[in-house]
Amino acid sequence: DIQMTQSPSSLSASVGDRVTITCQASQDISYYLNWYQQRPGKAPKVLIYDASNLKTGVPSRFSGSGSGTDFTFTISSLQPEDIATYYCQHYDNLPFTFGGGTKVAIK
Amino acid sequence: EVQLVESGGGLVQPGRSLRLSCAASGFTFDDYAMHWVRQAPGKGLEWVAGINWNSGIIDYADSVKGRFSISRDNAKNSLYLEMNSLRVEDMALYYCTKDRAATLHGGMDVWGQGTTVTVSS
Repeated sequence: DIQMTQSPSSLSASVGDRVTITCQASQDISYYLNWYQQRPGKAPKVLIYDASNLKTGVPSRFSGSGSGTDFTFTISSLQPEDIATYYCQHYDNLPFTFGGGTKVAIK
Repeated sequence: EVQLVESGGGLVQPGRSLRLSCAASGFTFDDYAMHWVRQAPGKGLEWVAGINWNSGIIDYADSVKGRFSISRDNAKNSLYLEMNSLRVEDMALYYCTKDRAATLHGGMDVWGQGTTVTVSS
């Protein structure tokens, strides 16, 4: 099974800061990676698909990059409504696996 | 509006069974693969099972293999998860999710609100 290592597990940043989360796959997954946002008490929702494609309707301050084994998720200017836990997930082959999550807080 | 609505969760004793259902609407159900994903209290997300558009490809997480069974009824726009021999560690919020593709290779683009399974004596 492919392991997804996400870091950091938590971070605290100020409004307007640039926030970066990384996700590393234990083997090459090409671009088959999603990034999800889960606000407290809510279901996850996809923000980025195929590693770097922004889902329609998602603010452009969110972005993703990478391919192969190393991926990055960025919030260019952190907003109060971005308080959430973010997860990466591969879908290269079954079983799909998620990263451990990154909890983002406002400093 | 694309919508997934789960039902069937509840309190069950260890070793017993439970069947979850997911009603889909707002899209052509039999054009897409579907999944179940769970989240234990205070924990991260765990993929549980997936089924392609025509039930020809099915797979499970090792943690549930042999105990859980995923199925779908395209005529009823419904997804199911039959859970047998439930364990305390199966206690979680169970999400029904839609794949972007028919073939279990598109990632999950729509999530339901979840149904809670509590396993306790």
